[in-house]
Parts: sequence; structure tokens; C-alpha cells
Amino acid sequence: DTAVSQTPKYLVTQMGNDKSIKCEQNLGHDTMYWYKQDSKKFLKIMFSYNNKELIINETVPNRFSPKSPDKAHLNLHINSLELGDSAVYFCASSQGQAGNTIYFGEGSWLTVV
Amino acid sequence: QKEVEQDPGPLSVPEGAIVSLNCTYSNSAFQYFMWYRQYSRKGPELLMYTYSSGNKEDGRFTAQVDKSSKYISLFIRDSQPSDSATYLCAIHTGTASKLTFGTGTRLQVTL
Repeated sequence: DTAVSQTPKYLVTQMGNDKSIKCEQNLGHDTMYWYKQDSKKFLKIMFSYNNKELIINETVPNRFSPKSPDKAHLNLHINSLELGDSAVYFCASSQGQAGNTIYFGEGSWLTVV
Repeated sequence: QKEVEQDPGPLSVPEGAIVSLNCTYSNSAFQYFMWYRQYSRKGPELLMYTYSSGNKEDGRFTAQVDKSSKYISLFIRDSQPSDSATYLCAIHTGTASKLTFGTGTRLQVTL
């Protein structure tokens, strides 16, 4: 059983398109995250949700909109995709926020052409 | 200056060698220190997690934290080809659900 699963794993799309990445965790955690890893492997947080409420929103363009329909799901919708959006997007989850282990999904490789 | 600095490598060692991976950080508010291992085309997985200064050992892995120097290390004994991966240090203040990652060090263990 995959603890944090995200789909699709690979996505190639044209500039200007709108796309979504879905994430689900079956660990019973109350906090979920989206991280972005660029071509230099630098991993940076984008958003964090606790019990479906947004608690961290880093400096991310408005074209990125997370949505958490329930504690187990956190989807990422991206409007008007740009070349610079090409990266690996990781969903993650943890129980609580303070110092607890964060579990990552396998990643979604987004390529914008 | 980045909050967390890590030598990106790549670091190539022969099988059986002792590997030392290091990170430095600038914010003394950081309290939780973690090492993640990331295989190619996979997500990061937690390897070691420490809270205080000192050493923590788990099998062939030892995590070391020196808060006075703002320096953390991961030692791998008897390195194996299966240890070939990117190792990311990650640091947490304990007051927000946010990890700050280093850039990762790519390790290659050769036969």
C-alpha cells in the first residue's frame, strides 16, 4: 500500500494549458503539503494544509491553487502553465506540524513545452 | 546566504568506505534535524531524525548535530552500492509545519 500517492507521475503539456495533480494519503495524517523540486534538486515548500485549512502559502504565483476536499486529499491545480513551471512536484503528509516526520509521495514530473 | 548549505557533490566512494555528508545552517532557531535519502525518480524518504546535539546511531548510519557550530553530519559506515542516492539534510524550527532542505549531496558508491 502506498502511503502518499499522487497522480499523474509524468505529465507533458503545452504552455498556457491548465493541469491538475492529485494527491491522497492513507496514513490518517491531518497535515498535507506540496513541495517543488527544481532541476538542481532543490526542494522547497509551496503550500501546507492542516485539517483542510491553508496554513502555509509560500511565495507562489496565483496560477497555483491547492484544494483540499478532505484531510486525506490535497490537489494542486495550475493555470496558464509556463515553461518555468517544469519541475517535480511532491505531495507529502505528516501528523501535526511540530517536528513530526513528513512522508513524501513519489513525485509528479511536469514538463511544459 | 541560504538558510541551509550543503555541498551538492557528486561524491564517489568505493564500496566499504566511510562516507561523511555535511550541512551547515544559519538560523539558531532550528531545533529538529533530519536526513532524507532520495533515489533517482523517487520521493525523499526519512533516514534519520534528531532533536538535540550529539550523536544518534541507526545501523550503519550515524547522525551528528553540533548546535554550537550550526553543523550537522551524516556518517555511513561500510557503504554499499545500494546507498547510491541523493542525501538531503532538512531542518525544522518546531513551530511551523515547514522543513527547510539543503540542496542535497549526490553519493555514488562504486564496486
